[in-house]
Amino acid sequence: GQSLEQPSEVTAVEGAIVQINCTYQTSGFYGLSWYQQHDGGAPTFLSYNALDGLEETGRFSSFLSRSDSYGYLLLQELQMKDSASYFCAAGGSARQLTFGSGTQLTVLP
Amino acid sequence: EAGVAQSPRYKIIEKRQSVAFWCNPISGHATLYWYQQILGQGPKLLIQFQNNGVVDDSQLPKDRFSAERLKGVDSTLKIQPAKLEDSAVYLCASSSISGSFQETQYFGPGTRLLVL
Repeated sequence: GQSLEQPSEVTAVEGAIVQINCTYQTSGFYGLSWYQQHDGGAPTFLSYNALDGLEETGRFSSFLSRSDSYGYLLLQELQMKDSASYFCAAGGSARQLTFGSGTQLTVLP
Repeated sequence: EAGVAQSPRYKIIEKRQSVAFWCNPISGHATLYWYQQILGQGPKLLIQFQNNGVVDDSQLPKDRFSAERLKGVDSTLKIQPAKLEDSAVYLCASSSISGSFQETQYFGPGTRLLVL
């Protein structure tokens, strides 16, 4: 099985940079994904790391270290619309995802 | 392309009643997932289908939950009888099979279930 830990809440101001960490314990780990979910909305895919290192997609970047069982999501130039919950999710051998409990990001003006 | 469709969007029932949810995945997506998301938690996988076969149902409470995907397209999830702790959002997601393990899951809007 797999378990993931991430902070429950993070607060930052508009324009700032924030990092959301995720540690995992797994058997059969194939990669780490990140999803965003606004209140009342559906989770939407942000980023995926299969290999160690940094993946950059616009204002969002994600990092993975397999040796440390650790990853993070980096959000730059924060905007009010980035206020949402962010979930890390570990991928398994059958392409299934195990989600963390989520980090609620609040962006202040 | 159209996204993942789910119905109903909201459902209120009393405990011990039964309820069914419907999902139509993105056209051509072979893999379909049902998740349960309790308030304040991450989605928890209940069952995963590939075409009309079950890949993983290890976390499905089989004494009360059932799911089917008879023709490999749309799917139904049923709860019978419902308990108070089943109050949650039930999310359906789908993904294609591209040969890579990085297959984005596309989620539907979910069905919010309240059991009284």
